[in-house]
Amino acid sequence: GAVVSQHPSRVICKSGTSVKIECRSLDFQATTMFWYRQFPKQSLMLMATSNEGSKATYEQGVEKDKFLINHASLTLSTLTVTSAHPEDSSFYICSARKAGGPLNTQYFGPGTRLTVL
Amino acid sequence: DQQVKQNSPSLSVQEGRISILNCDYTNSMFDYFLWYKKYPAEGPTFLISISSIKDKNEDGRFTVFLNKSAKHLSLHIVPSQPGDSAVYFCAASSHSGTYKYIFGTGTRLKVLA
Repeated sequence: GAVVSQHPSRVICKSGTSVKIECRSLDFQATTMFWYRQFPKQSLMLMATSNEGSKATYEQGVEKDKFLINHASLTLSTLTVTSAHPEDSSFYICSARKAGGPLNTQYFGPGTRLTVL
Repeated sequence: DQQVKQNSPSLSVQEGRISILNCDYTNSMFDYFLWYKKYPAEGPTFLISISSIKDKNEDGRFTVFLNKSAKHLSLHIVPSQPGDSAVYFCAASSHSGTYKYIFGTGTRLKVLA
C-alpha cells in the first residue's frame, strides 16, 4: 500500500503558459502533501506543504502566486506553474502523508519532468 | 543555508565491499533521519530511517548509524551490489518543524562489478 502517482510524468510547454501537475494518493487518504523541486544534479528542495482544505504553506523564496497549490480532497493535490518560464524547467516531486499515520513518514510520487521552451 | 550536507558528491566501490555514505547536519532540533535512493527522473525510494533516540538501525544490507554529538549519520551498505548504483540522499526532520523533510545534497554511488 501507500502508492502515490503523478500526472503527467513529463510535460513540455511554451514560455508564458500555465501547467498543472496532479499528485494522487491511490490507496490511502492524505491530509498533508508536500511539493519538491529538483534541478539537475541538485538536492530535492521543499517548495510547499499543502493541507487538505486549507491554504498551502510555502517555503522561503517560493512565489505562491507563481506556484499555485490546491488540495481540495484527501487524495488529490495539484501544483499549477503559472506563466512558466525556462528557468522553471525542473523535476517536480510530490509526497503524501497518510491521514492518521506517522507524522514523520512521507510516500513519494514518481515525479514530473517539466520543460519550458 | 544548507542544514543537511553530504560532502562527498560521488563514491566508487568494488562489488562485494562496503559502501559508506556520510551525512552531516547543523540543526540540533532534527530528531528523525532517513536515507533515500534515487535514479534520474524517478521519485526517491525509501531505504532506512532512524530516530534520534537510537544510534543504530539495521535492515538487511543497510545499516544507519547516528552520532548526535557530532551531528553526523552514515549509511553502510554491505555487501555492495551493482544494482545499488544510484544517487543517495539523506533527509532530516523535526517534530518542531512540522516533520517536513530537509534533504542533503546527495552522493552518487557507483558499484563496480
